[in-house]
Amino acid sequence: GAVVSQHPSWVICKSGTSVKIECRSLDFQATTMFWYRQFPKQSLMLMATSNEGSKATYEQGVEKDKFLINHASLTLSTLTVTSAHPEDSSFYICSAPPRWGSQETQYFGPGTRLLVL
Amino acid sequence: SQQGEEDPQALSIQEGENATMNCSYKTSINNLQWYRQNSGRGLVHLILIRSNEREKHSGRLRVTLDTSKKSSSLLITASRAADTASYFCATVYNDYKLSFGAGTTVTVRA
Repeated sequence: GAVVSQHPSWVICKSGTSVKIECRSLDFQATTMFWYRQFPKQSLMLMATSNEGSKATYEQGVEKDKFLINHASLTLSTLTVTSAHPEDSSFYICSAPPRWGSQETQYFGPGTRLLVL
Repeated sequence: SQQGEEDPQALSIQEGENATMNCSYKTSINNLQWYRQNSGRGLVHLILIRSNEREKHSGRLRVTLDTSKKSSSLLITASRAADTASYFCATVYNDYKLSFGAGTTVTVRA
């Protein structure tokens, strides 16, 4: 099946710094990618939809100036957590559908664990 | 949230036993999907059942869908230690976004 990778797999940073997380579709093109956040023992919550060639759309309650998303190419989306604080510590996961607008399965990256000290 | 609840929240079974978990949702759907998440990892797609289907099988997995009750169940037969994971149901909203249930954590004891 299709493969989605994320980098880094885990990151520890100091409060106030910015952290960039990459999401890549390795063997297919993804005009749309999704970013989720998952707190311990909780479900995935959709943060934003990353669109190649246009601005990301954010879910209600997600600060777009804090979570910057750039869909640089058909295989790469980046999420930058700006001025990270301890409450931003979480597991961040990206996904991509095999084709735009697909209601079928999505392919998920392995996740990035962020710890802000 | 487009999703309701999953139950149970946690399930512990002996290897070889069956595991059943349930999912409820709130809105009409085109399909319902089940995913597995191993600890600290991403999600793996298990099975998709469409709204006009009532039951679907894939290996040791059996999924049912009752659209009148807005509920679905996932049955794992003859469980193995490798089935230890969290299981999430998900429905599609706004054409392509996934909304996840709370998840069921399954522990299979050897």
